Amino acid sequence: GQNIDQPTEMTATEGAIVQINCTYQTSGFNGLFWYQQHAGEAPTFLSYNVLDGLEEKGRFSSFLSRSKGYSYLLLKELQMKDSASYLCAVSDSNYQLIWGAGTKLIIKP
Amino acid sequence: IAGITQAPTSQILAAGRRMTLRCTQDMRHNAMYWYRQDLGLGLRLIHYSNTAGTTGKGEVPDGYSVSRANTDDFPLTLASAVPSQTSVYFCASSPGTGSTGELFFGEGSRLTVL
Repeated sequence: GQNIDQPTEMTATEGAIVQINCTYQTSGFNGLFWYQQHAGEAPTFLSYNVLDGLEEKGRFSSFLSRSKGYSYLLLKELQMKDSASYLCAVSDSNYQLIWGAGTKLIIKP
Repeated sequence: IAGITQAPTSQILAAGRRMTLRCTQDMRHNAMYWYRQDLGLGLRLIHYSNTAGTTGKGEVPDGYSVSRANTDDFPLTLASAVPSQTSVYFCASSPGTGSTGELFFGEGSRLTVL
């Protein structure tokens, strides 16, 4: 079956750096997405990786290793507003998105 | 700038009743999707439409139906609601067909079936 694994919850301190991991096993691969979802709100797009390597976008970076079935989202200079769930999703061979359950990130002062 | 509008925002429904969740987008996107989100589970695709006039089944289509009469509207109907359909429902769209691009989500419809 197809599977996306990410930690259920993580805690970090304001101003610090946190890395959220995602491992996947899917039938085919057409890219990996990261979305942010604040409580009670809709998911919003953060990043898309289809080739191996690191994509940097301001305080957020996303890394992909296709051979390892692994990605991470790196958040730097954490702010209280970064408290949210972070969803990992993989586009499979049929271009259907397979979603992880999300990682709830708690930022403490 | 509306993007995607869902209605209702929240609804409590008796089991056995029929319910239609509305979704309208003003971005002229080709593809539209309906997901349900339950605690501890990832977003699960119910139905999708790659273009007006076509629909397809997702991972959990049973008990749900959709139509795509035009580009903008993609309603989701529960013919006879059951308690297991209690969930938050998200409508989404993307410019192209297939999941190679960013999805734009509506604000969600919280449905409780008693």
